[in-house]
Amino acid sequence: AQKVTQAQTEISVVEKEDVTLDCVYETRDTTYYLFWYKQPPSGELVFLIRRNSFDEQNEISGRYSWNFQKSTSSFNFTITASQVVDSAVYFCALSANTGANSKLTFGKGITLSVRP
Amino acid sequence: EAGVVQSPRYKIIEKKQPVAFWCNPISGHNTLYWYRQNLGQGPELLIRYENEEAVDDSQLPKDRFSAERLKGVDSTLKIQPAELGDSAVYLCASSAGTSGRTRSKNIQYFGAGTRLSVL
Repeated sequence: AQKVTQAQTEISVVEKEDVTLDCVYETRDTTYYLFWYKQPPSGELVFLIRRNSFDEQNEISGRYSWNFQKSTSSFNFTITASQVVDSAVYFCALSANTGANSKLTFGKGITLSVRP
Repeated sequence: EAGVVQSPRYKIIEKKQPVAFWCNPISGHNTLYWYRQNLGQGPELLIRYENEEAVDDSQLPKDRFSAERLKGVDSTLKIQPAELGDSAVYLCASSAGTSGRTRSKNIQYFGAGTRLSVL
């Protein structure tokens, strides 16, 4: 069974603050993918990043960075110098690499509010 | 390139009525997914298609839900009859597939969803 836990439910920050969104996952598969999606008020889930279980390198994309640590089964997401447009619900998700189980298992999401 | 298109965006019906949702995936994507997202929760898979074949429908409540993807492109999801507990957002996603060599495989791209309210 696969499980994704996003313990934080709501986070509120002031613009320009840094914020980290936590994600802890459980899986028995040795090969898997981890994802982050953003869901703005419009409702569409927007893909942000995919990480392969064999690649533990951290990644930075502009103001976004991701810290993947297999030892703690965590895949945390940091937004640097947050902006009002970052306000959304953020989901962490997991999928195994087997053809029969490529569904995404999502966490419950974290609602991020960035105040001006 | 157009993304995943879903219609309608909103639907309000009375309980016991039928309802249908439509999805057109990204061109060339042979895998199509239907998810249901309850308020305050993450999406949960209902059914996954590889081309026109439903390869994972274990979470689909088959007594009232049905889905089809006749030509392996667009898909419809139907509920008949709808119940109050079916109120949710129904999301469609597509991907390049669970096999193959494209770098984008296993990335699911989502539509804007259909928000269903059952009164």
